[in-house]
Amino acid sequence: DAGVIQSPRHEVTEMGQEVTLRCKPISGHDYLFWYRQTMMRGLELLIYFNNNVPIDDSGMPEDRFSAKMPNASFSTLKIQPSEPRDSAVYFCASSDGSYPSYNEQFFGPGTRLTVL
Amino acid sequence: GIQVEQSPPDLILQEGANSTLRCNFSDSVNNLQWFHQNPWGQLINLFYIPSGTKQNGRLSATTVATERYSLLYISSSQTTDSGVYFCAVVLNRDDKIIFGKGTRLHILP
Repeated sequence: DAGVIQSPRHEVTEMGQEVTLRCKPISGHDYLFWYRQTMMRGLELLIYFNNNVPIDDSGMPEDRFSAKMPNASFSTLKIQPSEPRDSAVYFCASSDGSYPSYNEQFFGPGTRLTVL
Repeated sequence: GIQVEQSPPDLILQEGANSTLRCNFSDSVNNLQWFHQNPWGQLINLFYIPSGTKQNGRLSATTVATERYSLLYISSSQTTDSGVYFCAVVLNRDDKIIFGKGTRLHILP
């Protein structure tokens, strides 16, 4: 398996533009997590899905952020409109364990987002 | 609020040395994991260890849930061990996932 795949790896955009980050989890994994990492706040869980259904989105910072998982092999995190403070590395992770003991999470390489 | 504190924040060691990293948490948890973020930013799961002791090669981890701490041991350090080590917990009371701020480890050749 290729592991968790994220695209793009780097994104530079201007304030006000829409940004879409993409994630393909490991085949067979039924949990998918979106994280954000910044120097100031460290690693934060934004939202996670189980069997394509959003379970906890309390970490999503505000209405400008939205996430979808239309099928078991694809998820998107969208920011509209983007702001400079959204600049961060966004990670996607997946696992096949049962919640809350979801065992081992496998992380993607991350998307480095820069909003000018 | 709930705290996950890791110590030390930074550690510089010579290759071959041993080290102990600590993770303290202020509330009861039902899941604890250790991760390594390498210098290229990749996050790698090391251990899923809500309690007890596990070993994987030169690395081992122990969690004492009743005393709310976990330790990560690295023996015979190698330069490839450099990076940031995070612990992450899932709280019993609300299933929230919280990451510590990490320990930055630098192994000198």
